[in-house]
Amino acid sequence: AQRVTQPEKLLSVFKGAPVELKCNYSYSGSPELFWYVQYSRQRLQLLLRHISRESIKGFTADLNKGETSFHLKKPFAQEEDSAMYYCALRSEGQNFVFGPGTRLSVLP
Amino acid sequence: DAGVTQSPTHLIKTRGQHVTLRCSPISGHKSVSWYQQVLGQGPQFIFQYYEKEERGRGNFPDRFSARQFPNYSSELNVNALLLGDSALYLCASSRAGTISGANVLTFGAGSRLTVL
Repeated sequence: AQRVTQPEKLLSVFKGAPVELKCNYSYSGSPELFWYVQYSRQRLQLLLRHISRESIKGFTADLNKGETSFHLKKPFAQEEDSAMYYCALRSEGQNFVFGPGTRLSVLP
Repeated sequence: DAGVTQSPTHLIKTRGQHVTLRCSPISGHKSVSWYQQVLGQGPQFIFQYYEKEERGRGNFPDRFSARQFPNYSSELNVNALLLGDSALYLCASSRAGTISGANVLTFGAGSRLTVL
């Protein structure tokens, strides 16, 4: 069965500190992994996906198949990064499985 | 393009009633998916439609049904509403297919359903 876990419900960091949002998955096939973000009073939107290997708003995420992880990282958090972050897995059947989400709070 | 549009934005129903939620995808997107998001949880997959055919179904009872129209818009229907059906219902569209970026979901703002 496909499953995505995000162990932290809430993560608080100070502005300028590094941030890492953890995501682990279970899937027997070859997954596509995504991070979606929801800022206050905005709709859920794509932040980045592993196949692009890109940095968006300073965030990066590396797919580690050995550890079945896709942690989201940023070296210096900004207050505008405060949001709800969801890790998602797309199975070969094309359905997305979302994790429960982590609320990131960046303190001034 | 207005993005993915959903209606209504909010609605209140009582137990046992029926509800229909509507979704218009981004122009050019042929796949529509529906998700249920209960407060404090991530979105849970309900249905995916592509070219008017059901391509996937999540672990939801038969009270939930959906369809996609020739213009790629979609409806989600829920019969015999229960209190536990109270949630934000999200619609997402994608181009689908094998081209790069085709499987990225673009979400609507959602329809918030309250069942009393």
